Amino acid sequence: EPEVTQTPSHQVTQMGQEVILRCVPISNHLYFYWYRQILGQKVEFLVSFYNNEISEKSEIFDDQFSVERPDGSNFTLKIRSTKLEDSAMYFCASNAEVNTEAFFGQGTRLTVV
Amino acid sequence: AQTVTQSQPEMSVQEAETVTLSCTYDTSESDYYLFWYKQPPSRQMILVIRQEAYKQQNATENRFSVNFQKAAKSFSLKISDSQLGDAAMYFCAYRSFQGAQKLVFGQGTRLTINP
Repeated sequence: EPEVTQTPSHQVTQMGQEVILRCVPISNHLYFYWYRQILGQKVEFLVSFYNNEISEKSEIFDDQFSVERPDGSNFTLKIRSTKLEDSAMYFCASNAEVNTEAFFGQGTRLTVV
Repeated sequence: AQTVTQSQPEMSVQEAETVTLSCTYDTSESDYYLFWYKQPPSRQMILVIRQEAYKQQNATENRFSVNFQKAAKSFSLKISDSQLGDAAMYFCAYRSFQGAQKLVFGQGTRLTINP
């Protein structure tokens, strides 16, 4: 069964460092998302991406964040200068068409120290 | 903006019994989707069941069913014959029918299954 794949599963980084979280969505999917879940809290939307551009972003997705689909298969989330409060589980998701089910990756746990 | 509220932070049930998880939401839209996602200890988000707001019939998936009350903006999940593998966080989520495809999640309910 096709699945969304995220790497790495866990990343530890020092405050102020740049991190790139990687996702490989399901191959025929067209809509891509990043969500964040701070430990013990709800899942929050960060950004959606369609047709090679951001279609919507939340207040959380400030200038420190960027997304890219560099090669038609990977979908990346970059955090330019990490803060302690960026520590969270980051989920990538994708869906094939409008109003179809979103499939989630297994998440990347980001720990900023 | 849409909001989703899950008022039960934790629930527990005896194995083989039935449990209902509550969810309410707020929206001014008439067409939308509602979902229940399961998040086991592995942290992966797994779709349990989905309901289209324009359908009057409540969705069912094997032991999982929903009670969708559109006027009351209520969307509860019933798990019948609870199994140990059902233990997880359960999140209710909303998605607009038009435009934005993002999911808006509730705070989650942690379900414990007692053997």
